[in-house]
Amino acid sequence: GAGVSQSPRYKVAKRGQDVALRCDPISGHVSLFWYQQALGQGPEFLTYFQNEAQLDKSGLPSDRFFAERPEGSVSTLKIQRTQQEDSAVYLCASSFGTGAYNEQFFGPGTRLTVL
Amino acid sequence: AQKITQTQPGMFVQEKEAVTLDCTYDTSDPSYGLFWYKQPSSGEMIFLIYQGSYDQQNATEGRYSLNFQKARKSANLVISASQLGDSAMYFCAMREGYRADSSYKLIFGSGTRLLVRP
Repeated sequence: GAGVSQSPRYKVAKRGQDVALRCDPISGHVSLFWYQQALGQGPEFLTYFQNEAQLDKSGLPSDRFFAERPEGSVSTLKIQRTQQEDSAVYLCASSFGTGAYNEQFFGPGTRLTVL
Repeated sequence: AQKITQTQPGMFVQEKEAVTLDCTYDTSDPSYGLFWYKQPSSGEMIFLIYQGSYDQQNATEGRYSLNFQKARKSANLVISASQLGDSAMYFCAMREGYRADSSYKLIFGSGTRLLVRP
């Protein structure tokens, strides 16, 4: 399909493990966003990329969270030494341009459960 | 302070009737955008409707309309002729700061769960 895809869809990790979540944005989309959605809550912003540049990482909750988009397309969100409070759905969104009016298209999310 | 407030955790509506989902927002930025998203149980966020702060008319998209009252800082979503498939979580979101260096991140409310009864 032509939408945003994310993998894996579900991830179970033991506390202390490292995880990597992948996002494939819509082809040609310049902007890429990561959001974290805790159970029963609205998504919360984590970080933003414009092409390969990470322009805003103000939402990353700790230095255990790291995101990259080395070639300006696929992005990976890495969480080191996972904690139980990291359990959430991680949503990726992309938009064609960089302006304010560009609609963000969301992927299906990765549900992370930390035991 | 919460920037987006959705005061209705859950709502019921009878099939074919209209329903209003409330959203109030808080910003000092004169330029902002307001969005509504639908999130079915599958988890994907589906864009429904957009209202810009300078738009003179209320936005409409099919059965969805946005009741934008700027002075009251409210942006309520109206769904007409509800269908069973409308049962889902609905999120109001705001994007502020139309500046060149803005990330244009979305700020979401806590959502309203809508259940359409047959």
